Amino acid sequence: GDSVTQMEGPVTLSEEAFLTINCTYTATGYPSLFWYVQYPGEGLQLLLKATKADDKGSNKGFEATYRKETTSFHLEKGSVQVSDSAVYFCALSVGGAQKLVFGQGTRLTINP
Amino acid sequence: NAGVTQTPKFQVLKTGQSMTLQCAQDMNHEYMSWYRQDPGMGLRLIHYSVGAGITDQGEVPNGYNVSRSTTEDFPLRLLSAAPSQTSVYFCASSRAGTRSLNEQFFGPGTRLTVL
Repeated sequence: GDSVTQMEGPVTLSEEAFLTINCTYTATGYPSLFWYVQYPGEGLQLLLKATKADDKGSNKGFEATYRKETTSFHLEKGSVQVSDSAVYFCALSVGGAQKLVFGQGTRLTINP
Repeated sequence: NAGVTQTPKFQVLKTGQSMTLQCAQDMNHEYMSWYRQDPGMGLRLIHYSVGAGITDQGEVPNGYNVSRSTTEDFPLRLLSAAPSQTSVYFCASSRAGTRSLNEQFFGPGTRLTVL
């Protein structure tokens, strides 16, 4: 079946550090890929997405590139801020279906 | 636009009690779904609906019922609560259609504890 695997957390960084959160997937079809972010006490918000191979999604300084050859969609940011502290979820959906399959989430804490 | 709203925010039940978690959206979205979030497991799909009168099971449907009588509302019912249903529940909605419209909008969640 379809699945998403994220790097284990929690991740703790200092402000202005470089961030990478790894995400790999397996899918029976051609998936769309997403990163969602959950700030403390809130629901999930879409951070970025990519719908085909080599697409790069970007938002708020975060980027992720859809790599079909390595079945990956790693999240990166060049300089993190304290306000980026949250839980990040990688997810996929297949074939136009709206059903999302989520990774387990990675808790990110940024220290000033 | 209120977006996706969920009530209640918190709920404590005793084993065997029943309750309904409410979800409503004002974006005229065809697709609505319920997820549960458990530590270390991400979100898992419970039930979903592609339109009024149409519902289907997700990955973890046992112990939950849903109905979709209107486009706006998608309540989740626990008929006989069990401690294994202690979780945070999220409702989401989106347009149906092409892959490029797959963005889902999530409610703020309901934290349920079953004793």
